[in-house]
Amino acid sequence: QKEVEQNSGPLSVPEGAIASLNCTYSDRVSQSFFWYRQYSGKSPELIMSIYSNGDKEDGRFTAQLNKASQYVSLLIRDSQPSDSATYLCAVNLGNYGGSQGNLIFGKGTKLSVKP
Amino acid sequence: ETGVTQTPRHLVMGMTNKKSLKCEQHLGHNAMYWYKQSAKKPLELMFVYNFKEQTENNSVPSRFSPECPNSSHLFLHLHTLQPEDSALYLCASSQGSGQGRNSNQPQHFGDGTRLSIL
Repeated sequence: QKEVEQNSGPLSVPEGAIASLNCTYSDRVSQSFFWYRQYSGKSPELIMSIYSNGDKEDGRFTAQLNKASQYVSLLIRDSQPSDSATYLCAVNLGNYGGSQGNLIFGKGTKLSVKP
Repeated sequence: ETGVTQTPRHLVMGMTNKKSLKCEQHLGHNAMYWYKQSAKKPLELMFVYNFKEQTENNSVPSRFSPECPNSSHLFLHLHTLQPEDSALYLCASSQGSGQGRNSNQPQHFGDGTRLSIL
């Protein structure tokens, strides 16, 4: 059973702080990793993708990938109240292990940024 | 115009009704997906279409019937649903179905249809 695990939260941080969201996955052959943000009542919105070990930065967002530890994280610097949402981690196995290349999603972590 | 459009946004139906959900993508993608999102559960993949051909049916009950007439349109026909089918139904599209060299292609979601079964 291929799984993606996230702490459901809620994770509460003060405005201006760094929010750290974590995700672990069960299948070592996973190829691609995505972070989606979902506001209440809205659809998931892609905010970051990462494919290689290390860090990838985009504005206030940094994705970190460690394939040896099967761990991917998202850091949000200078957190704003508008960042309050549920963050979904998604993993794509590519075409390995019999996978059809579909995304496997975690349950999401709810982030609350307090003014 | 938004990339992936779903209609209707909200739908209330009885268990004996027949209705259809519609999805249209304007991104030039060739893969389309139906997902179910229930409270406190991960997104559940239901169906995948690649170049109009169904490539995945994730053990979905036959009361859900997908239709993909072309790469831009996707329907989900609903018939004799159960109360536990109440959920947010999301459509997504991507360039390629996520296999091989397309594994790095993200999926783009529509705003979903909130379905309530009475």
